[in-house]
Amino acid sequence: QVQLQESGPGLVKPSQTLSLTCTVSGGSINSGDYYWSWIRQHPGKGLEWIGFVYYSGSTYYNPSLKSRVTISIDTSKNQFSLKLSSVTAADTAVYYCARWDGDAYFFDDWGQGTLVTVSS
Amino acid sequence: SYVLTQPPSVSVAPGKTASITCGGNNIASKSVHWYQQKPGQAPVLAIYNDGDRPSGIPERFSGSNSGNTATLTISRVEAGDEADYYCHVWDSSRNPVVFGGGTKLTVL
Repeated sequence: QVQLQESGPGLVKPSQTLSLTCTVSGGSINSGDYYWSWIRQHPGKGLEWIGFVYYSGSTYYNPSLKSRVTISIDTSKNQFSLKLSSVTAADTAVYYCARWDGDAYFFDDWGQGTLVTVSS
Repeated sequence: SYVLTQPPSVSVAPGKTASITCGGNNIASKSVHWYQQKPGQAPVLAIYNDGDRPSGIPERFSGSNSGNTATLTISRVEAGDEADYYCHVWDSSRNPVVFGGGTKLTVL
């Protein structure tokens, strides 16, 4: 089990880029067994997968967000990051980072989540 | 893309058994995972691969998967089980990570 912690601005202006970082502790992000993922949850709604990154830098994105999303990884810092461009109020949500088991295809560890509000 | 359907809410009295369903086309051909999310907290893996429990999850939690329906069963329900529950599968489509809409479990 690892610990994941999201960090970044809690308020972003419309049309700007949302940027979050997830710091992983208690284990190496440089593992071929896992993918590192971002998931969001709109207020009072369900879970929406954004995408994930492999230690090699390979990425996989939700097609509905793909044009605006970039997920990257920094193995030297044991961190991975999310950038979501051209945000609107519809991007207001709690953003979670999570570890994806690449063999069994489930999320086994989650960060506590961070609320990002898009407002001027 | 693949769709998972859950009832919005389920209510159960303490000590009784709660069953939360997750419907999908031939879902039995997939491995289903369940997450528990208590208010203000992150989701926690409750069941994986249809019916396996991670360490720390009580034996009261079990799962099954057959035909077009997967089911999360919570026996001897306690007040602390009140939460939202989400089913999840991996699908070999353009959007491979699929969550159900979630079910709010209310303990009466």
